[in-house]
This record gives sequence, structure tokens and C-alpha cells, in this order.
Amino acid sequence: QVQLVESGGGVVQPGGSLRLSCAASGFTFSSYGMHWVRQAPGKGLEWVAFIRYDGSNKYYADSVKGRFTISRDNSKNTLYLQMNSLRAEDTAVYYCAKELAVTVTAFDIWGQGTMVTVSS
Amino acid sequence: DIQMTQSPSSLSASVGDRVTITCQASQDISNYLNWYQQKPGKAPKLLIYDASNLETGVPSRFSGSGSGTDFTFTISSLQPEDIATYYCQQYDNPALTFGGGTKVEIK
Repeated sequence: QVQLVESGGGVVQPGGSLRLSCAASGFTFSSYGMHWVRQAPGKGLEWVAFIRYDGSNKYYADSVKGRFTISRDNSKNTLYLQMNSLRAEDTAVYYCAKELAVTVTAFDIWGQGTMVTVSS
Repeated sequence: DIQMTQSPSSLSASVGDRVTITCQASQDISNYLNWYQQKPGKAPKLLIYDASNLETGVPSRFSGSGSGTDFTFTISSLQPEDIATYYCQQYDNPALTFGGGTKVEIK
């Protein structure tokens, strides 16, 4: 079935780094744009980053620009989020999400989420 | 960035009631507006895309309308399983933004 499975979350000190992965299955990964969305504890949803189906375009939220890097390996059906210079305010559940279609930026498939805690 | 103002932030209604949530964009976003449902501890689920299109498999009691800056999400007859937080999301701008959420509870 269509599925996204995140991994790589954990506890990291402020200023540290972490790389999240999102393994896709059940659909043609290389045909869809992919996103990362996060949710701080008890808070709402915040879009983090986007990568085009072929990796040619990337966009970031201002809050993570210059610190986070989104990438993908279509040969491995895997999406990544490299997070550097982490701050306490980056503490959140991180979800990867698939776009419904190239012309519709709606998230029709979500992973289960992976928790990132930035704390000393 | 485009700001999405969702209201109310919470509501309490009885089973069978009609429930309406509004979302206002800080600028014209045409129909580039989606609605999600999120239950506690779970990932969000897409319900409506492009303001009024029902996602496959979503019950017909859910609907959406609007264009430009003002949008409405409706549950025609609230069911116990609809208890959740609902979010709108715009994609007119590459910097995607969500509304603050509406928590729906049963009275």
C-alpha cells in the first residue's frame, strides 16, 4: 500500500545536527513533489520544506532557511531533511508528505512522524 | 508570507449538528486552499483540496467552498468520529501556510 515511513528523530543539543529520512513505497516516488511539515508539541502545523519530483527546485520556510536542506534519492525512494544549527524552537514532530499532483499542492499521503527534541 | 486566519479556534456541537469553520487569507489565493483533519496522536488527513474538491474516500458530509480570500468548511451532520482538529492550508505562494486550527468537540 502507499506508505511513507520517517526515521532519524531523537534528542540533540542546541547547535547540533540531525538527518531525517522518509522511505516511500506503493507509488512512483520519482513522479511526485515531497514536503516536510512539522508540529511543535501542542501547536499547529508548520510547513518546512519542498522538493520537486526531480530535485530541481527546493523551497524553505524562513524559519529554517540556511540551516535545513531537503534532498531526495529517487533510486532509493527516499526523502531526506538535513537539519543543522538546531534550536529549541525546532523541537517538533516532523512529517514527510506527498503532493497530490504536480498542479495541486495538497498533502494526500503523510508519514507517521518522527520526534525531534532539541534540548541540553 | 500569506497569513491564514481560521475561526473559531474551538467549538462544541451536538451529534447531527451542522458545523462551519472559516478561513481567511491575507491576500487573494484564488482557490488554492485545502482542508485537513487531524486526530490526536495521528498525522493529518486530507479532506478537501482546491477549496471544494472532496478527496477520494472522504464522506460526503464534509464540504468546502469559497475563493479569493474567504473560505468555508462544513460538516453537514457532525458524527462522533469527526472529533478532531481541522486546518486550512494555502498554496498560492511557494511559502505554504496553515491556519491555526479549529478543535471540534462534542457537546
